[in-house]
Amino acid sequence: GDSVTQMEGPVTLSEEAFLTINCTYTATGYPSLFWYVQYPGEGLQLLLKATKADDKGSNKGFEATYRKETTSFHLEKGSVQVSDSAVYFCALSGPGSARQLTFGSGTQLTVLP
Amino acid sequence: DVKVTQSSRYLVKRTGEKVFLECVQDMDHENMFWYRQDPGLGLRLIYFSYDVKMKEKGDIPEGYSVSREKKERFSLILESASTNQTSMYLCASRGPGTGLYEQYFGPGTRLTVT
Repeated sequence: GDSVTQMEGPVTLSEEAFLTINCTYTATGYPSLFWYVQYPGEGLQLLLKATKADDKGSNKGFEATYRKETTSFHLEKGSVQVSDSAVYFCALSGPGSARQLTFGSGTQLTVLP
Repeated sequence: DVKVTQSSRYLVKRTGEKVFLECVQDMDHENMFWYRQDPGLGLRLIYFSYDVKMKEKGDIPEGYSVSREKKERFSLILESASTNQTSMYLCASRGPGTGLYEQYFGPGTRLTVT
């Protein structure tokens, strides 16, 4: 079945540091890929998405590129802020999954001032 | 903006009790989902519904049931709560206009079973 593997946390960075959170997937066909973010005490929000190979999703300074050859969708940000502290989830939705999302285990990010 | 609300943010119940978790969305979405979130395991799908009175099991349906009598409301039922059902429960919805497979989430209910 479909699966998502993402970088173990927690990750602690200083403000303005570069962020990478790795995500790889296993799926049949050509899934759509997502990054969701969960701020403390809140539900998940869609951060960005990509629906086909080589697409780049971007939002709020975050980027991720859909790499079919490496089955990856790594999340990056050039300069993190304290307000980026949250849990980040990589997810996929494939054509055979009846619109379900399959999530990774989540990565806790803490940004220190 | 899509709004998904859940009836309680925190809930404490005793082992063996019947527990109802309610979820309401205000955007006329067809699809609704219940997940549980546990540290290190991410989100796991319990049940989903693609229309009123329609439901399908997700990855971990054991010990749970659901009800969808109206389009805007999707209830998760723990028939006899057990301590291993202590978790964060998240409801989500999806419908036309929300983008390919994008789901909108409620704030979650943290359930403790003692």
